[in-house]
Amino acid sequence: NAGVTQTPKFQVLKTGQSMTLQCAQDMNHEYMSWYRQDPGMGLRLIHYSVGAGITDQGEVPNGYNVSRSTTEDFPLRLLSAAPSQTSVYFCASSYLSTTSGRASSYNEQFFGPGTRLTVL
Amino acid sequence: EDKVVQSPLSLVVHEGDTVTLNCSYEVTNFRSLLWYKQEKKAPTFLFMLTSSGIEKKSGRLSSILDKKELFSILNITATQTGDSAIYLCAVRRAGANNLFFGTGTRLTVIP
Repeated sequence: NAGVTQTPKFQVLKTGQSMTLQCAQDMNHEYMSWYRQDPGMGLRLIHYSVGAGITDQGEVPNGYNVSRSTTEDFPLRLLSAAPSQTSVYFCASSYLSTTSGRASSYNEQFFGPGTRLTVL
Repeated sequence: EDKVVQSPLSLVVHEGDTVTLNCSYEVTNFRSLLWYKQEKKAPTFLFMLTSSGIEKKSGRLSSILDKKELFSILNITATQTGDSAIYLCAVRRAGANNLFFGTGTRLTVIP
């Protein structure tokens, strides 16, 4: 298994440009999420998805869009990049345990290697 | 508002020392607390704690949760230079999978 993969590893954008950060996982995990990590701030949740076709906002969703058309992929779109979006972006996924066929609990999240984005 | 506070913010020790990292939290409908290690890239999972008083152990690392006093500790014994990293604590609410992270403790182990 490749686990959680992210592309690109590095990106430099100019203010106002748009781009998509790619995230894929091959573990058939239901849950996927995007975090950003800034110095002194820890990781903050941007958007998440509990399954294909279902997405929701996290703590810091403004300026970002997501979609989940397949279980494997969860791209993050920056609509009009701003210097405040300079950060390291991590994608994560986890699976939902079932007991007697019913969902019971989420397990640990597995993180991708990250994308370092600079907006000038 | 959910809150996770880690202490100390940074720590420098010599190889062979034992360290204790702290994580205190305030969260509505607490479900579990997770510890991650972050070296240069992605955080890697260490422990998930849901019950008070039950120590989780992996080699030289161990962790315990106190749900009454709302904190957890991560112990590392006989530290090695490979333990140098940022250690992140995160909490999760019941019925959800979203993680709320602290700012981390940067541990540096010098030979």
